[in-house]
Amino acid sequence: EVQLVQSGAEVKKPGESLRISCEGSGYSFGTYWINWVRQMPGKGLEWMGRIDPRDSQTTYSPSFEGHVTISVDKSINTAYLQWTSLKTSDTAMYYCARGPDSGGYWGQGTLVTVSS
Amino acid sequence: DIQMTQSPSTLSASVGDRVTITCRASQSISMWLAWYQQKPGKAPKVLIYDASILASGVPSRFSGSGSGTEFTLTISSLQPGDFATYYCQQYGNYWTFGQGTKVEIK
Repeated sequence: EVQLVQSGAEVKKPGESLRISCEGSGYSFGTYWINWVRQMPGKGLEWMGRIDPRDSQTTYSPSFEGHVTISVDKSINTAYLQWTSLKTSDTAMYYCARGPDSGGYWGQGTLVTVSS
Repeated sequence: DIQMTQSPSTLSASVGDRVTITCRASQSISMWLAWYQQKPGKAPKVLIYDASILASGVPSRFSGSGSGTEFTLTISSLQPGDFATYYCQQYGNYWTFGQGTKVEIK
């Protein structure tokens, strides 16, 4: 069974750093890009960027470039989304996902709350 | 960037109704269009991909059509479990989502 399993909810203060994870199982992890999607409270879906696990090539949405870093550790089938300095506006649910034409698998989401 | 415009934003309907949601792309995306259903507190679930292909396990009352810049999602007979928010997504040039359509009980 294909699964994307994300790390648990996080509560952080502004200015703190954070890395959340997305572990793939049930398929050859290097075969499909991993995408990250943000959903702010009560709002829609926003694509943040993606990574190719084969060569770690990344592409970012202009809205997120420079504020987050996407990385991967292929040896443990895990992709990451990282912030060096969180803002209160980063409070959101974050999802990792494969493309709709490759099964449309999504992680369960990681809720990140940033509050002083 | 490709923009996706979805309409309507909210739709009030009754069980058994035929429902249509429209999505327009700011430039041609061929058939690289997907539809998702999202319920509160849950991850989105893919319903349709490549504009008209039903995803595995999705009931046949859901259908998609269109190509280029104009796309539609149709639910032929709305069921109680279909009250949710629906998003279109283009994946021809990275990803962009529509703003969502909330289908609520009339």
